[in-house]
Amino acid sequence: QVQLKESGPGLVQPSRTLSLTCTVSGFSLTSYGVSWVRQPPGKGLEWIAAIWSGGSTDYNSALKSRLSISRDTSKSQVLLKMNSLQTEDTAMYFCARSYGYNFFDYWGQGVMVTVSS
Amino acid sequence: DIQMTQSPPSLSASLGDKVTITCQASQNINKYIAWYQQKPGKAPRQLIRYTSTLVSGTPSRFSGSGSGRDYSFSISNVESEDIASYYCLQYDNLYTFGAGTKLELK
Repeated sequence: QVQLKESGPGLVQPSRTLSLTCTVSGFSLTSYGVSWVRQPPGKGLEWIAAIWSGGSTDYNSALKSRLSISRDTSKSQVLLKMNSLQTEDTAMYFCARSYGYNFFDYWGQGVMVTVSS
Repeated sequence: DIQMTQSPPSLSASLGDKVTITCQASQNINKYIAWYQQKPGKAPRQLIRYTSTLVSGTPSRFSGSGSGRDYSFSISNVESEDIASYYCLQYDNLYTFGAGTKLELK
């Protein structure tokens, strides 16, 4: 069955770089896109970045300068890097699947990231 | 970038009520809107895609409509399991979520 699972450090110091991994199963990254979506505590959802089935990428324009999304198809993993972290980057980070430029049909359980010294 | 204005931010309803949430896009999104339900501590769950198509497993008391820039999402006969937050998502041009609506019991 389709599964996505996020992993990451949990706690990151301000100004450092965050690295998150989304490990997928039950589908191929060369057939589906994967996005990252985040949600600060008690707030709404924000789309961050996507990597499409062909390997091209798109980013939220407000965060673009700080982001990098990539994938390792041999490991079925999507990687997100965000630099210059600030406290306002504290959030639950989800990865989600889409078929083409379509809505998100499967989500991971999320990984909580806290930015604090 | 497309902006999505969702209202109201919160709703209070009694069991059996009908409630409606609206989303207005900053430009025509060609009916490419989906609606999600999220319960505390959980990932969002898709309910509706392409304005009005119920995703498999979505109860028929949920519905969606709209076109152009203006869209709505309704729950008829609210049940206790519907108490959650709801979000619209435009996917016509990349992705933008609405700010969310928290549905509470009156």
